[in-house]
Amino acid sequence: AAGVIQSPRHLIKEKRETATLKCYPIPRHDTVYWYQQGPGQDPQFLISFYEKMQSDKGSIPDRFSAQQFSDYHSELNMSSLELGDSALYFCASRPFGGANVLTFGAGSRLTVL
Amino acid sequence: GDSVTQMEGPVTLSEEAFLTINCTYTATGYPSLFWYVQYPGEGLQLLLKATKADDKGSNKGFEATYRKETTSFHLEKGSVQVSDSAVYFCALSGPSGSARQLTFGSGTQLTVLP
Repeated sequence: AAGVIQSPRHLIKEKRETATLKCYPIPRHDTVYWYQQGPGQDPQFLISFYEKMQSDKGSIPDRFSAQQFSDYHSELNMSSLELGDSALYFCASRPFGGANVLTFGAGSRLTVL
Repeated sequence: GDSVTQMEGPVTLSEEAFLTINCTYTATGYPSLFWYVQYPGEGLQLLLKATKADDKGSNKGFEATYRKETTSFHLEKGSVQVSDSAVYFCALSGPSGSARQLTFGSGTQLTVLP
């Protein structure tokens, strides 16, 4: 069965650089969520999209932005990277109005040096 | 706001021991409740869920019952295996059909020794 695809799986950046993470949801899933998981921490909700519109916003820094495209894939853009941005970034998807179960991707590990 | 309080770890058990990981929640309305499992270096996988009071979710020998009166969703397994070693997250979201995002507990690291 198709799953949520995230790329890249690993990314190393220097401080103050920019990074972009991509998420391809399960086909026919139109709602996408982004989570950040720091080392030894629980996942923290960043932002979500439904039908290409932002549907909810969590603890996402102003340096981060995200969008969902017409094919429902989503991108998380992170600028002016800080050491504290080093984390595992998960994307999850679900069909809107359907069973309230999120399917997570394997995550993108960002390391900021 | 919504919150999930989870039993702190780490938890270390011998193979075939009984497992309980406590989880309580605070939420408005009638949330859906979940247990997710994260194996080393991997993403979050749904283990089981319950969407209304007294529902019992079960999967792979794990069980949890949605207790509205005690606002709890404790995870249990009668006989753990080494392969169950992972981090377990309790989580809640809105009722079925809502778009509310998941709120996670702090996670409990389980290590099962042979």
